[in-house]
Amino acid sequence: AQSVTQPDIHITVSEGASLELRCNYSYGATPYLFWYVQSPGQGLQLLLKYFSGDTLVQGIKGFEAEFKRSQSSFNLRKPSVHWSDAAEYFCAVGGDAGKSTFGDGTTLTVKP
Amino acid sequence: GAGVSQSPSNKVTEKGKDVELRCDPISGHTALYWYRQSLGQGLEFLIYFQGNSAPDKSGLPSDRFSAERTGGSVSTLTIQRTQQEDSAVYLCASSLSSQGTNGYTFGSGTRLTVV
Repeated sequence: AQSVTQPDIHITVSEGASLELRCNYSYGATPYLFWYVQSPGQGLQLLLKYFSGDTLVQGIKGFEAEFKRSQSSFNLRKPSVHWSDAAEYFCAVGGDAGKSTFGDGTTLTVKP
Repeated sequence: GAGVSQSPSNKVTEKGKDVELRCDPISGHTALYWYRQSLGQGLEFLIYFQGNSAPDKSGLPSDRFSAERTGGSVSTLTIQRTQQEDSAVYLCASSLSSQGTNGYTFGSGTRLTVV
């Protein structure tokens, strides 16, 4: 069965600082991997996805993620965080009969 | 439509009543999903529709929950005899690809409160 672990429940960074959100997955084959962002009172918005090819993928809003098969990780990064990036971030793994499994999320707080 | 539309956005109901939640996916998206998000929790898979295939109901938590998708488009999630533990945000998503491999487009959700 597929699963996702986001080890950090809550992260606080200063505006302008770099960001890395961790994600570890479990899946038997080559996974489809996704990062979503959820602003308060909103649904989830897809930031980026990975299936194959270049292990460093670029997404919207200046985010990128790196797939590391040896570590079963798909960490999300951003070089310089903006106050508007404060939200909850979810990592997801897909491929099992079309269903995605989501992590429990990481809440990002941005300090001015 | 331009996005996934869910209604109502908020629903307060008395314990024991039935509720219906509606999802209108993006036109042309063949896959439709329902997830539940409880306070401070991740997303819990409920049910998945793909075209005319039989739905994957493996995530429905009890027989009080059911869902249908008419004409390959609009979907309704029904909860019978609601309980307080059913309080959550119910999210609908659709996907262009049959396996969801392009990722999902989510609606804004229905916040259900059972009192």
